[in-house]
Amino acid sequence: KAGVTQTPRYLIKTRGQQVTLSCSPISGHRSVSWYQQTPGQGLQFLFEYFSETQRNKGNFPGRFSGRQFSNSRSEMNVSTLELGDSALYLCASSGGQNYGYTFGSGTRLTVV
Amino acid sequence: DQQVKQNSPSLSVQEGRISILNCDYTNSMFDYFLWYKKYPAEGPTFLISISSIKDKNEDGRFTVFLNKSAKHLSLHIVPSQPGDSAVYFCAASRSGNTPLVFGKGTRLSVIA
Repeated sequence: KAGVTQTPRYLIKTRGQQVTLSCSPISGHRSVSWYQQTPGQGLQFLFEYFSETQRNKGNFPGRFSGRQFSNSRSEMNVSTLELGDSALYLCASSGGQNYGYTFGSGTRLTVV
Repeated sequence: DQQVKQNSPSLSVQEGRISILNCDYTNSMFDYFLWYKKYPAEGPTFLISISSIKDKNEDGRFTVFLNKSAKHLSLHIVPSQPGDSAVYFCAASRSGNTPLVFGKGTRLSVIA
């Protein structure tokens, strides 16, 4: 069974630009969560979508947004990029409570 | 306010010996705990979990211990192997479709 697929793997953007990252969950999984990983900060929760609805949201500014489509694929968007947004963005899908998450390989975003 | 803490950023262990990774949490509502392992340029992969109704869970070389009164859990790896060298993340959740909360990770180096 295919895993969680994130595209693109690497991205370089300039300050002020916007970016869209994509995540395809494991087939049948309806929950998709997004995390930001930066050195020394671990995994910071961005948001979670379930059946096209945002179910939970972390403490990130409104420049960070997301959505989920009817096929459970999810996108996250970051507008007006800042240097501090450089990070590994991880998507995880889950089949239900206490099943844990299956992560994708992430998208490495570099803002210059 | 960090709800899940991994106070050791790094740990070095000799091959064949025991590795003990520690994790503390502050939120007494957490009732499910997980450990993830992460290699560079990959997403975290699920290792082992434990429910708050248990105090120990074993899976091969990996054992997780939970001490609810101390709000502390630990991951034991016996015997440690060079392939175990990775960053280990502790995560916690509480019932009700809430997101996983991660610690900052501990980098384990197993020396041959």
